[in-house]
Amino acid sequence: LAKTTQPISMDSYEGQEVNITCSHNNIATNDYITWYQQFPSQGPRFIIQGYKTKVTNEVASLFIPADRKSSTLSLPRVSLSDTAVYYCLVGRLLPGNTPLVFGKGTRLSVIA
Amino acid sequence: ETGVTQSPTHLIKTRGQQVTLRCSSQSGHNTVSWYQQALGQGPQFIFQYYREEENGRGNFPPRFSGLQFPNYSSELNVNALELDDSALYLCASSGGRVRTEAFFGQGTRLTVV
Repeated sequence: LAKTTQPISMDSYEGQEVNITCSHNNIATNDYITWYQQFPSQGPRFIIQGYKTKVTNEVASLFIPADRKSSTLSLPRVSLSDTAVYYCLVGRLLPGNTPLVFGKGTRLSVIA
Repeated sequence: ETGVTQSPTHLIKTRGQQVTLRCSSQSGHNTVSWYQQALGQGPQFIFQYYREEENGRGNFPPRFSGLQFPNYSSELNVNALELDDSALYLCASSGGRVRTEAFFGQGTRLTVV
């Protein structure tokens, strides 16, 4: 499975757009990209998933360039409640599902 | 709300004891994965069950074992508890209509004293 690299931490002010970039240089053809958000002492929460180009849902956008060696999670107009750890994961499309491999994630702190 | 429920939410055990944690998967999902998350770290994969069979295992000793039932709910058993087993234990449910999506429960906080 492709290893991912993301910044350890980021700070942002309320109302700003936050972009967290994840590097996955060894991503394979069958791999997809998923982002999770985790608050302290809670399970990770699924944010968004994509394979290529751009995906948008009600909470975030995911940008994946043509070579798929990186991806960027974009959170529009963050609020204090977006303070959390964000994980970028690469998974493989196989029967029975392959386990997700978590790194250390990016700790986002939103400041008033 | 993910539809994945774990019980209990908190647990305190003594070193050497045994513990069983439970997970109910989301409706329509046939795969359950278990993770251990120590304080300040990302979740670490323990093992996965797919249609009642173990489908992969991380770097955890045999005293970590599991089961998946016909309704796809699952148990994680840990024998001979050690202080380092203190962690948040997470289960993830997947294998539904959108096969690539996995949803986590709220976790069980295990403290070994």
